Amino acid sequence: QQQVKQSPQSLIVQKGGISIINCAYENTAFDYFPWYQQFPGKGPALLIAIRPDVSEKKEGRFTISFNKSAKQFSLHIMDSQPGDSATYFCAPVGGYNKLIFGAGTRLAVHP
Amino acid sequence: EPEVTQTPSHQVTQMGQEVILRCVPISNHLYFYWYRQILGQKVEFLVSFYNNEISEKSEIFDDQFSVERPDGSNFTLKIRSTKLEDSAMYFCASSEMRHSNTEAFFGQGTRLTVV
Repeated sequence: QQQVKQSPQSLIVQKGGISIINCAYENTAFDYFPWYQQFPGKGPALLIAIRPDVSEKKEGRFTISFNKSAKQFSLHIMDSQPGDSATYFCAPVGGYNKLIFGAGTRLAVHP
Repeated sequence: EPEVTQTPSHQVTQMGQEVILRCVPISNHLYFYWYRQILGQKVEFLVSFYNNEISEKSEIFDDQFSVERPDGSNFTLKIRSTKLEDSAMYFCASSEMRHSNTEAFFGQGTRLTVV
């Protein structure tokens, strides 16, 4: 019930393109859905998060779409830039006070 | 900007030896965590700590592991007798409130290599 499935494992996007990363979960007790960004040699850092009472949240070029009935949420990066090249993790929370990390998506944005 | 600080950045130890990983959480935070990431795998929760006691722990966090907040600023993870499979990146994190109410800030990690 704690399982979180993230896809794709890796993603290559051209500069200016849209990056889309998906996360599917099983635990209906999750009540907070963050995406973390991790650069090499650094710890994960919160990028954007959503609560289940809304279906979409946008912050600059980053958007989370949330589908409660399908138990899925996704990260969209508009106008992707080389500086966005990093590993992205979905890490929903709920019930217990711990982040349940997906396997990660390695994004490479080519100029 | 306040940050979580971890030391050392890299620790090499012999199998069977004890190691202590150190963390200085952000000063006004109340919740402290350890996570680990084995090379190429996902980040896994180890333990959360609140009000000077463990509030939750994972199956990974067995009797070989312990945490302590020895003073008002440090938060440590001790592995009593290291095994080869303990080799991983260990991340300390802290938050003002529970994960679902606030952002968790992660340190840069300590790479533990057990030989």
